[in-house]
Amino acid sequence: SQTIHQWPATLVQPVGSPLSLECTVEGTSNPNLYWYRQAAGRGLQLLFYSVGIGQISSEVPQNLSASRPQDRQFILSSKKLLLSDSGFYLCAWSVLQALNYGYTFGSGTRLTVV
Amino acid sequence: ILNVEQSPQSLHVQEGDSTNFTCSFPSSNFYALHWYRWETAKSPEALFVMTLNGDEKKKGRISATLNTKEGYSYLYIKGSQPEDSATYLCAFQAGTALIFGKGTTLSVSS
Repeated sequence: SQTIHQWPATLVQPVGSPLSLECTVEGTSNPNLYWYRQAAGRGLQLLFYSVGIGQISSEVPQNLSASRPQDRQFILSSKKLLLSDSGFYLCAWSVLQALNYGYTFGSGTRLTVV
Repeated sequence: ILNVEQSPQSLHVQEGDSTNFTCSFPSSNFYALHWYRWETAKSPEALFVMTLNGDEKKKGRISATLNTKEGYSYLYIKGSQPEDSATYLCAFQAGTALIFGKGTTLSVSS
């Protein structure tokens, strides 16, 4: 069966520090991978998505970046965190156009920048 | 900028009440409309994926309808139970990625 792992679950980081959040998928090949963020009082915002190794599409200009070094690994990074980067980050995967199953989400990372 | 609107923002009902929420989305470039349930401390869980105008889907006491021409979808919950308490998200799909609404938070009292 397919599973998605996301870590860490909680993170408190000082302003200006780097960030690395990792997401891995098991049990499927060539998934579409996504990073979403929910800031306080807001809905889920698409940050990045990837349809293959090394292929990253950015939806929102910001100081975050994403990489997909392996087929089932998706990494969200920042060189210097801002207070506005605080939020709940969700990784998700889908196959093809997800018409039968929708997206499968990870358990999320609560990031607090202080 | 694609905009997905959900109403109401929150809703409080008594156990046994039936309720419904609305999702409005762009009527152009439509590919699919998704509904998710997001319970506290859990991951969003897919409820329905609908693609055709007039689609109706049902899972237990929960059902959804789709009107792509006018750009709206309704989610219905019949006989609400406390375990239905969650945030219900709809998401519009034009291409690969989903654009989510802010959700409707349902609270069911016993």
